[in-house]
Amino acid sequence: DTGVSQDPRHKITKRGQNVTFRCDPISEHNRLYWYRQTLGQGPEFLTYFQNEAQLEKSRLLSDRFSAERPKGSFSTLEIQRTEQGDSAMYLCASSLDGTGAGDTQYFGPGTRLTVL
Amino acid sequence: AQTVTQSQPEMSVQEAETVTLSCTYDTSESNYYLFWYKQPPSRQMILVIRQEAYKQQNATENRFSVNFQKAAKSFSLKISDSQLGDTAMYFCAFINSGTYKYIFGTGTRLKVLA
Repeated sequence: DTGVSQDPRHKITKRGQNVTFRCDPISEHNRLYWYRQTLGQGPEFLTYFQNEAQLEKSRLLSDRFSAERPKGSFSTLEIQRTEQGDSAMYLCASSLDGTGAGDTQYFGPGTRLTVL
Repeated sequence: AQTVTQSQPEMSVQEAETVTLSCTYDTSESNYYLFWYKQPPSRQMILVIRQEAYKQQNATENRFSVNFQKAAKSFSLKISDSQLGDTAMYFCAFINSGTYKYIFGTGTRLKVLA
């Protein structure tokens, strides 16, 4: 059983550039989540997919952020015109629809973004 | 607003001893779930233990157990027989039954000393 994987693990970019991250969930999991974690803080929810449908977005997800899950499998998170404040760890998690909102979420290793 | 508070930014414990990490939360809902996650240095977060709010019995997983006090909105984690591999950030998280997003605390950095 392979866990949640994320690519790349590290990304350094210059302010104003666009970046895209990929997340591959656990294969049978139909729910996928993106979180952002800044230094010294717990993860903060960004968005959530059930299959290919994006069902909830945080107000943290500004217009420069877009997430997709085109075939209900892997997901991408794109940040356009990056700003230094976007520097953070971006975490992906997945879960299997079972008992409802209490389903355990399994996290990937994260993509650490540094915007210079 | 729903919040999770972890009031201990850092803790240390001697190997083989017991340590308790505290967590309080705030919600107006009656049905929710609570979790403790462990994030080792430079490694991914893994689930340590979970608790359903409707269950009065405290959850246990091997050396890990919780003290769930629903009225006080408290959810502490006890680690018995601490091991060097327990060194990590520990996050308390909460999720309401009507949503799918975790609310995390700011974490407690635990260091197990040899």
